Amino acid sequence: DSGVTQTPKHLITATGQRVTLRCSPRSGDLSVYWYQQSLDQGLQFLIQYYNGEERAKGNILERFSAQQFPDLHSELNLSSLELGDSALYFCASSGNTGGSYEQYFGPGTRLTVT
Amino acid sequence: AQRVTQPEKLLSVFKGAPVELKCNYSYSGSPELFWYVQYSRQRLQLLLRHISRESIKGFTADLNKGETSFHLKKPFAQEEDSAMYYCAYRGGKSTFGDGTTLTVKP
Repeated sequence: DSGVTQTPKHLITATGQRVTLRCSPRSGDLSVYWYQQSLDQGLQFLIQYYNGEERAKGNILERFSAQQFPDLHSELNLSSLELGDSALYFCASSGNTGGSYEQYFGPGTRLTVT
Repeated sequence: AQRVTQPEKLLSVFKGAPVELKCNYSYSGSPELFWYVQYSRQRLQLLLRHISRESIKGFTADLNKGETSFHLKKPFAQEEDSAMYYCAYRGGKSTFGDGTTLTVKP
């Protein structure tokens, strides 16, 4: 168990809808990352937050947005969903672990858009 | 641009054979590099970090600054090593390679 939790585990919704994915980082970690992993694809970095502030942005669509709250949990909002948004969405957190900043991943949310 | 390259998308070896998963990086300065493993599209797990020079599950990886590489090696592959492996570095933008799917055949 990495200590990172994500809810929900599975989500099935229709095109055009909006969903919110939630992530709780490991205790003490200030950074949260979001990734998308489509079928047969590698990880696509979406966005990173550090202590509530956006730190880095990757290939995140304008229909997607995220935020990190004062208690450090994060939410990824996906709107106007399309079939192609069906994927695994992973959250990861990192902090200073003995001088190293490796990421700890959550179990992912499997989103299916029908 | 800073990036990590894993040239092999798929790699297949027989049980007991040596395996090497390649990773090259382009980064100026001293990178912090990692290998992650993902079994059956579950959560990614940290396998190795270059700063600790450890061996996990028989895997090792050496940072070669001259060749800008951080290849993952195991002398004798096992069937349970079949998984997706990602090379990653810690930078301003989290950078993961495209991953290599390793299949170890019996």
